[in-house]
Amino acid sequence: GQQVMQIPQYQHVQEGEDFTTYCNSSTTLSNIQWYKQRPGGHPVFLIQLVKSGEVKKQKRLTFQFGEAKKNSSLHITATQTTDVGTYFCAGPNTGGFKTIFGAGTRLFVKA
Amino acid sequence: EAQVTQNPRYLITVTGKKLTVTCSQNMNHEYMSWYRQDPGLGLRQIYYSMNVEVTDKGDVPEGYKVSRKEKRNFPLILESPSPNQTSLYFCASSLGRNSPLHFGNGTRLTVT
Repeated sequence: GQQVMQIPQYQHVQEGEDFTTYCNSSTTLSNIQWYKQRPGGHPVFLIQLVKSGEVKKQKRLTFQFGEAKKNSSLHITATQTTDVGTYFCAGPNTGGFKTIFGAGTRLFVKA
Repeated sequence: EAQVTQNPRYLITVTGKKLTVTCSQNMNHEYMSWYRQDPGLGLRQIYYSMNVEVTDKGDVPEGYKVSRKEKRNFPLILESPSPNQTSLYFCASSLGRNSPLHFGNGTRLTVT
């Protein structure tokens, strides 16, 4: 079945270093969403990308949607301790009404 | 305040004892969904509902039931819980299928 894979599973960084998580779908996506889950919290919507090759920025966060609409990335510049948590990508399944999540990338930031 | 409310936050039960986790949203959203979160597996969809009286299976529906009698409520029912249903459960809602999901605070279920 359709899969959304995310790497890496974990990332440890020193505060101030950059961080990137990658998301790959086995099928073309109509859109991709990114969520952040703080430790002990619930997923919170960050952004949605719809267009092929789209790039969106939110302060230090840069989101990209691949040309083929099968992959995406989230890049954080100069991480801060407030960035800790798990970042998930998610997309709709083809021809259906499900939302499929990647397994997430857990970010640890050392001060 | 716009929110998705789940209850209870924590639940410990024994194998076979029926339980219901409630979910309510105040945003007039049509789409509602249940997910379970397990380490290393991310969020897996259990059931979803496109609207009142319209529900369908997600990727891991076995052992679960849902109902959508009212637009705001979408309870998750475990008729005969088993230890492999020990997990963190999230209810979510959105305007529609491709719209951003709003999540509840989660229910941590332990089945012994």
